[in-house]
Amino acid sequence: AQKVTQAQTEISVVEKEDVTLDCVYETRDTTYYLFWYKQPPSGELVFLIRRNSFDEQNEISGRYSWNFQKSTSSFNFTITASQVVDSAVYFCAPSSGANSKLTFGKGITLSVRP
Amino acid sequence: DTEVTQTPKHLVMGMTNKKSLKCEQHMGHRAMYWYKQKAKKPPELMFVYSYEKLSINESVPSRFSPECPNSSLLNLHLHALQPEDSALYLCASSQGPGSYNSPLHFGNGTRLTVT
Repeated sequence: AQKVTQAQTEISVVEKEDVTLDCVYETRDTTYYLFWYKQPPSGELVFLIRRNSFDEQNEISGRYSWNFQKSTSSFNFTITASQVVDSAVYFCAPSSGANSKLTFGKGITLSVRP
Repeated sequence: DTEVTQTPKHLVMGMTNKKSLKCEQHMGHRAMYWYKQKAKKPPELMFVYSYEKLSINESVPSRFSPECPNSSLLNLHLHALQPEDSALYLCASSQGPGSYNSPLHFGNGTRLTVT
């Protein structure tokens, strides 16, 4: 059985604070991909990052960074110096199998206050 | 701007109406998807088309009928819906079936209200 857990439901920070969003993916698959998507209030889902199960190298892209640790099944996402425009729902979504079946976690609502 | 275009953006329909949602992409993607998203919930997969053939139907009621006329277009035909079917319907595409490393590109969605 596969299980994706986003234990945090709502996070509120003040602008310029750093914030980390947690995701845990439990699976017996040895090969899989993990994605993060952002859904701002306007509704569209925006792809942020993709990592595969063999690549534990951390990645930084501007204010965003990702930390993947296979041993703990965690794929965490950090926003540095948050901005009001970062306010959105963030979904962790694993994908495995030949049908590209993407399953979303419950999502974390991030509110960044000015 | 999103590269997946969905129309209409909003739709209000009665339970006896027949309507269709449309989705179009010109990225050369060969897999297309319909997701349903209720308020404050994650998107839930409904259908997957691979090379214009239906490959996944997540036990969706027959009042939802998907159609893929060609590799760029995806429709969702609606008939005899219930108020609980009110939701945001999201279309997505990806490079190809069997490539589960391909990110999905989503449209802005159609917000459907069934009265």
